[in-house]
Amino acid sequence: AQKITQTQPGMFVQEKEAVTLDCTYDTSDPSYGLFWYKQPSSGEMIFLIYQGSYDQQNATEGRYSLNFQKARKSANLVISASQLGDSAMYFCAMREGRPGTALIFGKGTTLSVSS
Amino acid sequence: DAGITQSPRHKVTETGTPVTLRCHQTENHRYMYWYRQDPGHGLRLIHYSYGVKDTDKGEVSDGYSVSRSKTEDFLLTLESATSSQTSVYFCAISESGDRLKETQYFGPGTRLLVL
Repeated sequence: AQKITQTQPGMFVQEKEAVTLDCTYDTSDPSYGLFWYKQPSSGEMIFLIYQGSYDQQNATEGRYSLNFQKARKSANLVISASQLGDSAMYFCAMREGRPGTALIFGKGTTLSVSS
Repeated sequence: DAGITQSPRHKVTETGTPVTLRCHQTENHRYMYWYRQDPGHGLRLIHYSYGVKDTDKGEVSDGYSVSRSKTEDFLLTLESATSSQTSVYFCAISESGDRLKETQYFGPGTRLLVL
C-alpha cells in the first residue's frame, strides 16, 4: 500500500496566487515526521518544510506552510503568493519510527506558475 | 549548502558491465543514503548506511551493493548493470539520526544510462 499519496500529478497557478499541494500518508506509528522537498528542472532536491506528528502548530517557513490534519492523515503544502521560480516538482515524504530511518517519498506533483 | 558531491554526474554504460557511483560528504554526518528516482515513482531507497561499515537494504536493493569504509564516502555498485537500472541516483546525508525531524540533504544526482 502507498505510504505517501500525492494525487495531483500537475497543478497550474498564476503568479501571486496561493496554491495547495495535497499529500496524504499512511502509518500506524504514533511518531513520524513529514517533509516537503522541491525539485526544480535543474534536478537538485531542496528541503522546504518539516512537520512532526506531535507538533501542535502547523509548520511555516516563509511563503510555505504545512496544513497538518492528523486525524485525516493529510499534510498539504500551501504556497502563498506564487512566483515563477516556484515552478518545479514537489515531493511529500515521511519518516516513521526511529530517527535516522530513510524517507518514504510520494510520486510528486508538478507545479507550473504562469505570469 | 551541505557539502555533498556525487561522481560521476553522468554515465553511459552497457548492459552487463559493473558500475560504481561515489558519494562524498564533507559534513561528517553519520547517515548516508542512496535513492533512485524514476518517472512515476518518486524517490525510492536503495541502501543506507548508519556508520562506517554499517549498511542496510532499502526498498529496491536487488542488483545493488554498497560500501562505506570511511565516514565521508558511500559507494553504490551495480554488479552487472541492466537497462532497468537506468535512472537518476541521489545520495543523501543526515547528521546523527538522533532526531525525527532531522533533515536529509541531497547531492546533485547522477544520471545513469544503461544501453
